[in-house]
Amino acid sequence: GQSLEQPSEVTAVEGAIVQINCTYQTSGFYGLSWYQQHDGGAPTFLSYNALDGLEETGRFSSFLSRSDSYGYLLLQELQMKDSASYFCAVRQPATNKLIFGTGTLLAVQP
Amino acid sequence: EAQVTQNPRYLITVTGKKLTVTCSQNMNHEYMSWYRQDPGLGLRQIYYSMNVEVTDKGDVPEGYKVSRKEKRNFPLILESPSPNQTSLYFCASSLGQEDYEQYFGPGTRLTVT
Repeated sequence: GQSLEQPSEVTAVEGAIVQINCTYQTSGFYGLSWYQQHDGGAPTFLSYNALDGLEETGRFSSFLSRSDSYGYLLLQELQMKDSASYFCAVRQPATNKLIFGTGTLLAVQP
Repeated sequence: EAQVTQNPRYLITVTGKKLTVTCSQNMNHEYMSWYRQDPGLGLRQIYYSMNVEVTDKGDVPEGYKVSRKEKRNFPLILESPSPNQTSLYFCASSLGQEDYEQYFGPGTRLTVT
């Protein structure tokens, strides 16, 4: 089957760097996306990797390695407002279904 | 303002009473979909639509119906709601079927007693 696995929780302190991993088992996909969701809110798009390598957007970076079936989201200079859930997601070309990971709850502590 | 709207935002209903959750987007997006979110299970796709009159099942379609008669609207219909459909529901849209950035509505919290 298709699945995306993420750690359930990560804790870090303000100003630190944290990496949220996503390992997947799918039968092909367009690319790997990342979304942020604050408690009770709607998910919002953060980044996308179509190709292997690192994509940087401000304090956030995302990495993809198709050969390792692995990706991660890197958050630098953590701020309290970064406390949220983070989801990786893939869309399958064959079905156009969008599959989300189980999500990682990031807690940023002062 | 570009947005996806959902109504109602909160709904408490009883088993078996038909309900519809509306979803509308003003971005002329082709791709729309519905998700449910449950603790520990993440977001699961219920149905999606690649364009007007084109809909298809996601991973958890049982107990739900959808229609796409207009490009901007994609209502979710629960013909006979059951307690296991108590969940947080999100509608989302994207420009096309290959577009990676989805825009989510604010969510509808449904409780079925």
